[in-house]
Amino acid sequence: QSALTQPRSVSGSPGQPVTISCSGSSSDVGDHNHVSWYQQHPGKAPKLVIYDVTKRPSGVPDRFSGSKSGNTASLTISGLQAEDEAAYYCCSYAGTYTFVLFGGGTELTVL
Amino acid sequence: EVQLVESGGGLVQPGGSLRLSCAASGFTFSDYWMHWVRQAPGKGPVWVSRVSTDGSSTNYADSVKGRFTISRDNAKDTLFLELNSLRVEDTAVYYCSRGLYGYSVGFDNWGQGSLVAVSS
Repeated sequence: QSALTQPRSVSGSPGQPVTISCSGSSSDVGDHNHVSWYQQHPGKAPKLVIYDVTKRPSGVPDRFSGSKSGNTASLTISGLQAEDEAAYYCCSYAGTYTFVLFGGGTELTVL
Repeated sequence: EVQLVESGGGLVQPGGSLRLSCAASGFTFSDYWMHWVRQAPGKGPVWVSRVSTDGSSTNYADSVKGRFTISRDNAKDTLFLELNSLRVEDTAVYYCSRGLYGYSVGFDNWGQGSLVAVSS
């Protein structure tokens, strides 16, 4: 199975919303509600910001939200802040054999 | 506070071997599935392997099956990954990560990573 498809880059101004898409297939994103999103700053480990499509771990600001429609999941950051500038990766359960697939990543630039 | 600390990475020639360790603290290690996820330079993460809470069940990505072995020592709160027959394409930062509890799928805590470089 191929990696999930994400836009290479997105940008937005402070205070504005931005949405990152993650396109999969009926075997992964479309077949399960186990989509998670990770934020990664340069030289750091990924950090979980959304799991099970819409759930936010404790400590993650509520400006981070997730959704899914068909084979595409989305991460929305409302009210962009400078510290949100990072790479974002989606991840989906893909069955017991493959387990999970990650996206190729989206670089978010806060203008 | 959950902590995962990897060690054991380094430079190795193609065909060589390494053993990665991950020392866990701040949670009941034996309650969680544990995973290894790797990330090649400039690329997205790729899931490598997972081990069940008691170590009796393991799974691997096709790309490492037969070459890598995951294991754990619950008495010492430590996760391992044995890497054999290493290839240039195995070059990556290897992260130890904790699986989400219950029926959720994902990784809620990650170590700082251990760099494995395979080169002649």
